[in-house]
Amino acid sequence: GAVVSQHPSWVICKSGTSVKIECRSLDFQATTMFWYRQFPKQSLMLMATSNEGSKATYEQGVEKDKFLINHASLTLSTLTVTSAHPEDSSFYICSAPRASSSYNEQFFGPGTRLTVL
Amino acid sequence: GQQVMQIPQYQHVQEGEDFTTYCNSSTTLSNIQWYKQRPGGHPVFLIQLVKSGEVKKQKRLTFQFGEAKKNSSLHITATQTTDVGTYFCAGGGSNYKLTFGKGTLLTVNP
Repeated sequence: GAVVSQHPSWVICKSGTSVKIECRSLDFQATTMFWYRQFPKQSLMLMATSNEGSKATYEQGVEKDKFLINHASLTLSTLTVTSAHPEDSSFYICSAPRASSSYNEQFFGPGTRLTVL
Repeated sequence: GQQVMQIPQYQHVQEGEDFTTYCNSSTTLSNIQWYKQRPGGHPVFLIQLVKSGEVKKQKRLTFQFGEAKKNSSLHITATQTTDVGTYFCAGGGSNYKLTFGKGTLLTVNP
């Protein structure tokens, strides 16, 4: 199957700092990537759709100035959590569909666990 | 917007018992997908259903898509400890966008 990587896998930062998370499709090109956050024992909440070469589309209630998304190439999307606060602590997961796949499934990265002190 | 409800939230079974999780959408779905997330892991695609009334099987797993394409179920026969995890249904929309249900956490007592 297709492989999607995320870096870092976990990060601890101080309140007020910014954190960048990378999502890469390793063996396919992805014009679209998705960013989710997941709280413990809860579902995946879609934050935004990352579009290569254009602005990201944010879901209702997600602050675009706080969660900056850049999709600069066909294999890389980045999510920057700006001025992080403890309530931003969560599990952030990216995913990407592969156009050549028989299905419309999404391939998920391993996730990044963010802890803001 | 589209909402996907999933029940039950938790299910604990003895090894060998069957397990079923149900998914309901507020709107007609173009497709429904099922994912499994092991504890500490990330969601992994299991199956996609597209046709009204579709039934697909994967070994001990049976997936169904309702006639109205608004509900779906996943049934596991004779559960094993390796089945432990959270099972999510996700309604497919345009441009690959998915709306996830809350998931059902399955635990299996050996």
